[in-house]
Amino acid sequence: DQQVKQNSPSLSVQEGRISILNCDYTNSMFDYFLWYKKYPAEGPTFLISISSIKDKNEDGRFTVFLNKSAKHLSLHIVPSQPGDSAVYFCAATLNYGGSQGNLIFGKGTKLSVKP
Amino acid sequence: DTAVSQTPKYLVTQMGNDKSIKCEQNLGHDTMYWYKQDSKKFLKIMFSYNNKELIINETVPNRFSPKSPDKAHLNLHINSLELGDSAVYFCASSQGLSVTQYFGPGTRLLVL
Repeated sequence: DQQVKQNSPSLSVQEGRISILNCDYTNSMFDYFLWYKKYPAEGPTFLISISSIKDKNEDGRFTVFLNKSAKHLSLHIVPSQPGDSAVYFCAATLNYGGSQGNLIFGKGTKLSVKP
Repeated sequence: DTAVSQTPKYLVTQMGNDKSIKCEQNLGHDTMYWYKQDSKKFLKIMFSYNNKELIINETVPNRFSPKSPDKAHLNLHINSLELGDSAVYFCASSQGLSVTQYFGPGTRLLVL
């Protein structure tokens, strides 16, 4: 039973264009969402996060949008660069009590940015 | 300076053996985690320790036993290894109430 879903296993984008990675979740109790980036043979690295009280968070070329009514979030990368080629994981958590720290990950989307 | 390190990076072993994976973090964090990424690429939490005490223990066979000698270390010991234990195991850490976790490079375990 996947609580966090990334339905696109891969995405290919031209350098300089926008990359949009999507993530859906089923648990309406999730209140904090994160995006991680992973290169081959390395661990995931934290990219950007958003609290459920917000609908947008921006950090440089990366913007995360949250639509709570649709239980959907997306990561926008503008402009995309070849170095952005990696697997992107969406994660969600309940940011309180004993569930804190229990990140639920999606299966990942492999982004390829072509020069 | 490696923030979260794991040893070994690769581990190939026979079914039935006992093995350990070590994790160390130099970030001064007080919470550490073990995750398993299986062949289907799902990354799932196994254990979480806060100040050397177990706070999350997902449904994991009791052949897996985490040990935290101090706040900077969380080792994973696996008894009687099975084929299905083959996976990549990631250690992570975070500080206090922060949900942002920092991951190690992973240990690729192959059980033959």
